[in-house]
Amino acid sequence: DAKTTQPPSMDCAEGRAANLPCNHSTISGNEYVYWYRQIHSQGPQYIIHGLKNNETNEMASLIITEDRKSSTLILPHATLRDTAVYYCIVRDRGANNLFFGTGTRLTVIP
Amino acid sequence: GAVVSQHPSRVICKSGTSVKIECRSLDFQATTMFWYRQFPKQSLMLMATSNEGSKATYEQGVEKDKFLINHASLTLSTLTVTSAHPEDSSFYICSVAGGYNEQFFGPGTRLTVL
Repeated sequence: DAKTTQPPSMDCAEGRAANLPCNHSTISGNEYVYWYRQIHSQGPQYIIHGLKNNETNEMASLIITEDRKSSTLILPHATLRDTAVYYCIVRDRGANNLFFGTGTRLTVIP
Repeated sequence: GAVVSQHPSRVICKSGTSVKIECRSLDFQATTMFWYRQFPKQSLMLMATSNEGSKATYEQGVEKDKFLINHASLTLSTLTVTSAHPEDSSFYICSVAGGYNEQFFGPGTRLTVL
């Protein structure tokens, strides 16, 4: 069963920040939050992951609430190429399985 | 992150034939690779975990005799779909486990069985 809840779709204007929410209210202390995205007909792309601190890399920022029950992926300046399905996944760092739920389909609008 | 390739990118075959899909880790020695499949408009489902030099671990409901996995080297894993049928038509994707146990995915192979 999915451990995360994401809105099925979102739109974002090109050049604006895209904020993608994820609820993971049953997350355990050992579980990390991972974000991936999948552009149509391609393999998924790793974006970022975190445990409890906010994280930032060249692609995005990950904001995790203090109680760790939800998080937000931020794409600071969305481009048309960011149109994709974004998956929020929680799992133990040592676990192999990545359970892909239904994700959020982000459409960046010109 | 790791660069992963798959070959072929697309394959069309007749029902009853076998198809081999290759997954290569181009710049990373991968002791563990994963195979997923994705049906149209659905999410990815893990099929099996491929371990270099040992037998693959299959997820519940995946037939190990139908989906043969070989991981003979640190850079290559193969998935053979034996006696393929139209219901096996899908998008097959492999991935490599990275240093922080994130996974890096290949571009996928679209299999169409006629």
